[in-house]
Amino acid sequence: SYELTQPLSVSVALGQTARITCGGNNIGSKNVHWYQQKPGQAPVLVIYRDSNRPSGIPERFSGSNSGNTATLTISRAQAGDEADYYCQVWDSSTEVFGGGTKLTVL
Amino acid sequence: QVQLQESGPGLVKPSQTLSLTCTVSGGSISSGGYYWSWIRQHPGKGLEWIGYIYYSGSTYYNPSLKSRVTISVDTSKNQFSLKLSSVTAADTAVYYCARSVVTATDNWFDPWGQGTLVTVSS
Repeated sequence: SYELTQPLSVSVALGQTARITCGGNNIGSKNVHWYQQKPGQAPVLVIYRDSNRPSGIPERFSGSNSGNTATLTISRAQAGDEADYYCQVWDSSTEVFGGGTKLTVL
Repeated sequence: QVQLQESGPGLVKPSQTLSLTCTVSGGSISSGGYYWSWIRQHPGKGLEWIGYIYYSGSTYYNPSLKSRVTISVDTSKNQFSLKLSSVTAADTAVYYCARSVVTATDNWFDPWGQGTLVTVSS
């Protein structure tokens, strides 16, 4: 089965840029989606199909995908961006999620 | 905009069947173009896709749960449901319903319900 690998945690200074990676075998050939989950809340879609932002998601959120790594980039990080972030792909008729990354804004 | 709301028992005994319903408001399940999904999250853990259903009744399940899962739809009530049989403590989780766009190559989940915690315990 297909596996997605994310770092357990990422830290970023307030106002700086955070990058959260999602690794998978030739993930660049797949469409990757990203979700933000704050404590006690349901996940929220922040990026779909590698780099597209849903309505209402700030332009500070962007995504890229190439080779074996997809990346969610959060520019000008704010305290409100502290959350768990999950990547997701579709593979062999199965939806697969990464293990999640906890983003801490210092 | 479309909103989803899970409902069902918060406590289920081991070996019994977990049953949850998701009520959709602000849009019709029958309009097509979307899969209606169940996803769960074990306490303090990541997300696990359970399966989804199209309004016509076509279903797709996670192979790891397929033998125990049934997802059904009631278009007259604008609801879809999850049944998970022979539950154990390992099925204790927050269960989310969500909508995903139907495409030929991939699906993403938006929006999600608020989630409901189901505990399996005697």
